Amino acid sequence: QKEVEQNSGPLSVPEGAIASLNCTYSDRGSQSFFWYRQYSGKSPELIMFIYSNGDKEDGRFTAQLNKASQYVSLLIRDSQPSDSATYLCAVNPEYSSASKIIFGSGTRLSIRP
Amino acid sequence: SQTIHQWPATLVQPVGSPLSLECTVEGTSNPNLYWYRQAAGRGLQLLFYSVGIGQISSEVPQNLSASRPQDRQFILSSKKLLLSDSGFYLCAWSERPHQFFGPGTRLTVL
Repeated sequence: QKEVEQNSGPLSVPEGAIASLNCTYSDRGSQSFFWYRQYSGKSPELIMFIYSNGDKEDGRFTAQLNKASQYVSLLIRDSQPSDSATYLCAVNPEYSSASKIIFGSGTRLSIRP
Repeated sequence: SQTIHQWPATLVQPVGSPLSLECTVEGTSNPNLYWYRQAAGRGLQLLFYSVGIGQISSEVPQNLSASRPQDRQFILSSKKLLLSDSGFYLCAWSERPHQFFGPGTRLTVL
């Protein structure tokens, strides 16, 4: 079982709609959860992080965490063409030292005008 | 504010040639540093991490090595490149527990 799993997509969403990206993780003791956005040919950019169960909102982005289900999601409201990118879910496992982070393989999101 | 630099940005090397990629961080001291590789269409694979000068931990066996000669300098090397070494190499630094990436080096081995 992969430590961090994401649907590879592509996920196609019309402009203005809500994009929902999902991620599951295997280490039940994980404490920190991250979403990175990666444009084609560029390096990943940290866009959201969440530590506690529930929702965390930042502008058009909402991260949701359910530790009981070992599930993290990212919602993007009012999707824009500029949101088209690959979104990487990442987890800091309980066993990790030196702030190592385990990354999923990413979900490719395409916003169609 | 912190800044991370990587060079070169792109590199084309023949099989069997040596490699040296450099990463430097500005605006922080004693950062944790990381080298990742991303193959085409794949996720990020952690190659090495360092918690201080001269302290290197390897995550996967391979023909690559890393060194940290100075606090804010991290170097990825190989004596002889393989075709499978092609990929996007990313350096990252950590402000616990977050990691921030440099711009990356795209390496093509022919």
